[in-house]
This record gives sequence, structure tokens and C-alpha cells, in this order.
Amino acid sequence: GDSVTQTEGLVTLTEGLPVMLNCTYQTAYSTFLFWYVQHLNEAPKLLLKSSTDNKRTEHQGFHATLHKSSSSFHLQKSSAQLSDSALYYCALSDHGGSGNKLIFGTGTLLSVKP
Amino acid sequence: NAGVIQTPRHKVTGKGQEATLWCEPISGHSAVFWYRQTIVQGLEFLTYFRNQAPIDDSGMPKERFSAQMPNQSHSTLKIQSTQPQDSAVYLCASSLAQSQNTLYFGAGTRLSVL
Repeated sequence: GDSVTQTEGLVTLTEGLPVMLNCTYQTAYSTFLFWYVQHLNEAPKLLLKSSTDNKRTEHQGFHATLHKSSSSFHLQKSSAQLSDSALYYCALSDHGGSGNKLIFGTGTLLSVKP
Repeated sequence: NAGVIQTPRHKVTGKGQEATLWCEPISGHSAVFWYRQTIVQGLEFLTYFRNQAPIDDSGMPKERFSAQMPNQSHSTLKIQSTQPQDSAVYLCASSLAQSQNTLYFGAGTRLSVL
């Protein structure tokens, strides 16, 4: 079945350093990938999404490129800010099942320190 | 637009008791999802309604969990005979029914089973 893998449970960075959060996926169907962000005591919300191979998608300073050849959709930012500290989820749309159900990874907690 | 509303925000039950969680989706959204959030598993899909009809309950533990959507303005998740392993944050999300639309999450209900 479809699955999403986020290998880092916790990423700790110093403010100003680049961010890269890993996401790989497995699916037998067409591919639509998402990144959701959840700040402390808030609801998860969409950060960015893509279905186009090798096209960079950007939002709020973050960017990701879907690479179907390597089944990856890594999240990047050139310079981390303290306010980026949050839980980040990568997700895959389940085309094979019931339409727009999302399958999420286990999440990566990003902690940015001064 | 108040967003997705979930009540209660926190619920504490004793082992063996019943817990009912409520969700009010965004007006006009015809798809409603329930997810369970834990540190270990991340966001696990439970069940999904479209136009109030159950579409996919593949993530629901069969014996004690049930979900309903009696009208377009609310959905409930009921857990009978709660167990300590049911302790988690239960998140409701809604979206427009078209494929690949953004899921809008509520702030969740934190269930603690003592």
C-alpha cells in the first residue's frame, strides 16, 4: 500500500542555517505530495503541495521539488528562523482508494535555536 | 469562517468508559476526515465521509470505534470501553470534495484514558 517515510524524528538547528527535512514515498498511483506544518497547540495547516515532476514549489520561504525518479519530496529553506520551530508532516494523496484521503508520515519536529 | 471546530478540547476518561468527540466542519465542505495523532505513529487516518456518506473506514479499530455524520454540520467519533492505548489527539479535518483539495484541520481533542 501507499506509504510516506520521514526519517528524522527531530531536527535541531541554529537560527540562520539551512533547513532540509526528508520525505520519501511509495505509491502505485499518480502522485500528489503535501507538506503540512503544525505549530505548538495549533492545528496542522498546509504549507505547500505539488504533483509536477521536477518543478520547484515555494511558499512562505520554504520550497520543495517532487522527484518521481527517486520518490522524494524534501522540504528546504535557505535560512531557519526561530518561528520555524514546529512539527512538519509530509503526506501523499491516496488516489488508489477513496479520492483525497491523505496518508501522512510520522512527522519531523524542527527545533530552531538562537 | 471559524474553521473546523472540535469539542471538547480535552477529555479525560477512566478505563472502560465511553468517549464521544465532536467535529463541526467548515460550512460548504462536503468531505470530513478523522485522524489520530501520536508521537510514535504521527497522523493516522481513521475514517472519511463525503456528503455525509461513509467512504472509507479502513483505519478504524473495528471493535470499539465508530463514527457518524448525521448531518452536514457535524460528525462524531465514539470510542467505547476506552483503553489507555486510545490516549491521543484526535483531529478532524474537512475539505471540498474535489480531489487534491486542501484539508483544513481542527485544533483536535486530546483524549486521556486513565
